[in-house]
Amino acid sequence: EDQVTQSPEALRLQEGESSSLNCSYTVSGLRGLFWYRQDPGKGPEFLFTLYSAGEEKEKERLKATLTKKESFLHITAPKPEDSATYLCAVQRNYGGSQGNLIFGKGTKLSVKP
Amino acid sequence: DVKVTQSSRYLVKRTGEKVFLECVQDMDHENMFWYRQDPGLGLRLIYFSYDVKMKEKGDIPEGYSVSREKKERFSLILESASTNQTSMYLCASSSRATNEKLFFGSGTQLSVL
Repeated sequence: EDQVTQSPEALRLQEGESSSLNCSYTVSGLRGLFWYRQDPGKGPEFLFTLYSAGEEKEKERLKATLTKKESFLHITAPKPEDSATYLCAVQRNYGGSQGNLIFGKGTKLSVKP
Repeated sequence: DVKVTQSSRYLVKRTGEKVFLECVQDMDHENMFWYRQDPGLGLRLIYFSYDVKMKEKGDIPEGYSVSREKKERFSLILESASTNQTSMYLCASSSRATNEKLFFGSGTQLSVL
């Protein structure tokens, strides 16, 4: 069964304190791993797509990496505006069709000034 | 700017009522999705559609139906609302060409009393 597990469930950091979020997955044939950011009261917003082990993507203070079993979202010197819930998702085949995602439960990040 | 618009931000209905949740996208995307999001359970796929008049069941379709009569519009229908359908409902769309990132609406918080 395809599964995505994120840890920790919640993370509190001081401004400037770097850390990492983990996403481990089991899926039959990874087609893509996605990171989204979700602010309270809003829909998720796309951050990155990773396709193969060893791939890395960066955006401002965020860097996503991928291995054969997990992905990490590294946050360097975070700021309060980075506070949000970060969602990981994997793309799967479903009935022969592509495109739909299975999501993890998310990591709620709080960055205190 | 690309947009996925959900018709209602908050909705309160009574048990047994028929409920329609509407979603419109202006990006000419082929794929459209309905998810529900619950605390501790994350995002779960209800139904999706890859083309007009086409629909496929997701992971939790029971108690729901969908309609896609036009490319830009995807409706979620609760035939007889129940209290366990109280949730945040999120609509999303994606392009078949890229078949990767989803664009989400802001969500409809539905309460069934």
